[in-house]
Amino acid sequence: DADVTQTPRNRITKTGKRIMLECSQTKGHDRMYWYRQDPGLGLRLIYYSFDVKDINKGEISDGYSVSRQAQAKFSLSLESAIPNQTALYFCATSDRGWTEQYFGPGTRLTVT
Amino acid sequence: GENVEQHPSTLSVQEGDSAVIKCTYSDSASNYFPWYKQELGKRPQLIIDIRSNVGEKKDQRIAVTLNKTAKHFSLHITETQPEDSAVYFCAASVLGNEKLTFGTGTRLTIIP
Repeated sequence: DADVTQTPRNRITKTGKRIMLECSQTKGHDRMYWYRQDPGLGLRLIYYSFDVKDINKGEISDGYSVSRQAQAKFSLSLESAIPNQTALYFCATSDRGWTEQYFGPGTRLTVT
Repeated sequence: GENVEQHPSTLSVQEGDSAVIKCTYSDSASNYFPWYKQELGKRPQLIIDIRSNVGEKKDQRIAVTLNKTAKHFSLHITETQPEDSAVYFCAASVLGNEKLTFGTGTRLTIIP
């Protein structure tokens, strides 16, 4: 779905480096989410935002921070990357109410 | 918080046979239960969902059943085809909270 985009798509970084993953959407949705996917662990919620002034921690927020720069943009930062943050990261958006979440294409992050 | 368990983690079925994936949830306040399909290298996409006021929902070859008393729900795929091979995730949403808790996923392989 080209309406939710993520940059970069792949990134290799070293331990201790700061890295930012970016998500943009053209769906006009208020809700935005960041997940990480690990084999056998499914999709785990890192942070979510219901509007520009609203930021909430998910189940695994330690070591991560986010910024909601605009309705359409939601960035995830790793202040000091560590190897166990190697994973596939997905951004998602949804409209108000219990509706479908639309996922971006994912960012594969490797921390060496 | 909500906890969603999903079984089995892997499932292989002969083409044309049926496949069943089961999930249980812990929070009796949950009232929205979507299923997402993730093909290899792709993003998760919603395939079907059910709300707590409905016991069963069908869409062509896929169906979802919900037992609120037992707090479990299942995905049924009939007449399986090669394109059904993917990872399937169940999820649950707590009343008044639009964030999803995902299961750990089931890798379904259709054997030709």
